[in-house]
Amino acid sequence: DGGITQSPKYLFRKEGQNVTLSCEQNLNHDAMYWYRQDPGQGLRLIYYSQIVNDFQKGDIAEGYSVSREKKESFPLTVTSAQKNPTAFYLCASSILGAGKQPQHFGDGTRLSIL
Amino acid sequence: QQPVQSPQAVILREGEDAVINCSSSKALYSVHWYRQKHGEAPVFLMILLKGGEQKGHEKISASFNEKKQQSSLYLTASQLSYSGTYFCGTEITGNTPLVFGKGTRLSVIA
Repeated sequence: DGGITQSPKYLFRKEGQNVTLSCEQNLNHDAMYWYRQDPGQGLRLIYYSQIVNDFQKGDIAEGYSVSREKKESFPLTVTSAQKNPTAFYLCASSILGAGKQPQHFGDGTRLSIL
Repeated sequence: QQPVQSPQAVILREGEDAVINCSSSKALYSVHWYRQKHGEAPVFLMILLKGGEQKGHEKISASFNEKKQQSSLYLTASQLSYSGTYFCGTEITGNTPLVFGKGTRLSVIA
């Protein structure tokens, strides 16, 4: 079955540590997205990519970094510069021209600070 | 700019109807609707494109008023399974990322 796989489901970060969240899709979608979700805030866009080796900042990119070396993969690194990383992180993908196409979401990674 | 959803929360008894609104200050190309259960991934409901169309399946439908830049999601004869947080995502052009509202928490009780 096609879909988006995020791992791990739960992640704990120590102070000063970088952590990487994995996102893999086998839907052959060109576009991939990372969202952060906090209670009462909705989904806020961190980064997105529409093509391999290219990505764009979203509304809250500070303290995060991404790479897109393969079409299927879009990992997100939460760096030590992100002072409040505790949140639910969602990865999504879509066909380009998403105005007519839905976004498909992974099951999310819940990140907490130790 | 983030669309504004209203109401923020609503409690219904089974069988009652609800309307959730999503408004934007900018001209929209499309509006997407998703439902999310707690701790789970958002699930796609429907997309509405500019042109003022209305869509629906079973007891959930939506409209898009292009003049007002507002979309409304209609849930009729609500069921317990309708409980969750509903998000609208808006798009300014046909190739830009969605901007999501803060969500409307819907609780259906027996």
